[in-house]
Amino acid sequence: GDSVTQMEGPVTLSEEAFLTINCTYTATGYPSLFWYVQYPGEGLQLLLKATKADDKGSNKGFEATYRKETTSFHLEKGSVQVSDSAVYFCALRNAGGTSYGKLTFGQGTILTVHP
Amino acid sequence: DGGITQSPKYLFRKEGQNVTLSCEQNLNHDAMYWYRQDPGQGLRLIYYSQIVNDFQKGDIAEGYSVSREKKESFPLTVTSAQKNPTAFYLCASTQAGGGDTGELFFGEGSRLTVL
Repeated sequence: GDSVTQMEGPVTLSEEAFLTINCTYTATGYPSLFWYVQYPGEGLQLLLKATKADDKGSNKGFEATYRKETTSFHLEKGSVQVSDSAVYFCALRNAGGTSYGKLTFGQGTILTVHP
Repeated sequence: DGGITQSPKYLFRKEGQNVTLSCEQNLNHDAMYWYRQDPGQGLRLIYYSQIVNDFQKGDIAEGYSVSREKKESFPLTVTSAQKNPTAFYLCASTQAGGGDTGELFFGEGSRLTVL
């Protein structure tokens, strides 16, 4: 079945540092890929998405490129802020089969940014 | 404003009791989902529903039940058969066909603690 693997955390950075959170996936067909962010005590919010190979999703300074050859969707940000402290989830949606709209999530990566 | 409302935000339960978590959406979405979140394990799908009066088991349905009598409502009952119910529960919804992105919209979650 489909699966998503994220780099293990937690990740601790100083403000303005460069961020990379690795994400790789296993899926049949051509899934759509997502990054969601969860702030403390809240639900998940979509951060960015990519629906086909070589697409780059971007939002709020975060970027991720859909690499089919390496089955990866790594999240990057050039300069993190304290307000970026949250849990980040990589996810995929496979339009095939009967799993209508179902997302498969990675285990989440906790990011803490210090001033 | 359109969105997903989950209640209660916090709930305490004694062992052996059933509890029902509410999820209401005014986004006119056809599909709704319940996920369970445990530390370090990401999100796991409990049940999902594509249309009214129909629902499917997800990956960890044992000890849970749902109903979908109205398009906007998808309550989750955590029964006494659930061996380890303490967790954070997230409800989500999406457009029919997942829209153009397959994005899921999430509520703010309900934290259940079994005493």
